[in-house]
Amino acid sequence: AQSVAQPEDQVNVAEGNPLTVKCTYSVSGNPYLFWYVQYPNRGLQFLLKYITGDNLVKGSYGFEAEFNKSQTSFHLKKPSALVSDSALYFCAVRGNNAGNMLTFGGGTRLMVKP
Amino acid sequence: GAGVSQSPSNKVTEKGKDVELRCDPISGHTALYWYRQSLGQGLEFLIYFQGNSAPDKSGLPSDRFSAERTGGSVSTLTIQRTQQEDSAVYLCASSGGWQTYEQYFGPGTRLTVT
Repeated sequence: AQSVAQPEDQVNVAEGNPLTVKCTYSVSGNPYLFWYVQYPNRGLQFLLKYITGDNLVKGSYGFEAEFNKSQTSFHLKKPSALVSDSALYFCAVRGNNAGNMLTFGGGTRLMVKP
Repeated sequence: GAGVSQSPSNKVTEKGKDVELRCDPISGHTALYWYRQSLGQGLEFLIYFQGNSAPDKSGLPSDRFSAERTGGSVSTLTIQRTQQEDSAVYLCASSGGWQTYEQYFGPGTRLTVT
């Protein structure tokens, strides 16, 4: 079975400061990893993915994530937070030998304060 | 281009009634997924369609839930004899197929069972 843990329900950061949203995973085989963002009353919006290759992947809106196989982590990062980044962030995983369905973490609410 | 659309955006129904939720995937996407988002359970996979293959129904919570996908495009999720615990946001997603890993989500249908 595959699983995702997002250990922080909420992350607070001041605008202009770097942010990190943590994610660890468990999956059989090589992982395919994803970050999604959800704004109020909206569906999930794809941010970035790791499939293979470079451990540091870049995505939309200046976000990036680092795949660490030994720590089974895929933390989301941004060098300088914006108030408009405030939203709910979900990490998701699927295995490369499993069905295509995603398994999501519980979500982390990011609050960026001016 | 047009994204994934879902209808209705909101549905209020009485306990015991049947409901149908509709999903229009991105044109040309061969894979379609249904997920459910609720406060207590987070984001859960329900069912997955890939082309003409038999759907993966492994996430359906009970036999009151069913889904079909007509002509490889539009999908309908049906919940029979709704219960209060069915209240949730039902999200549909599509992707370009087996080698396209990210899924694109619709805005969801908020179902409230009274």
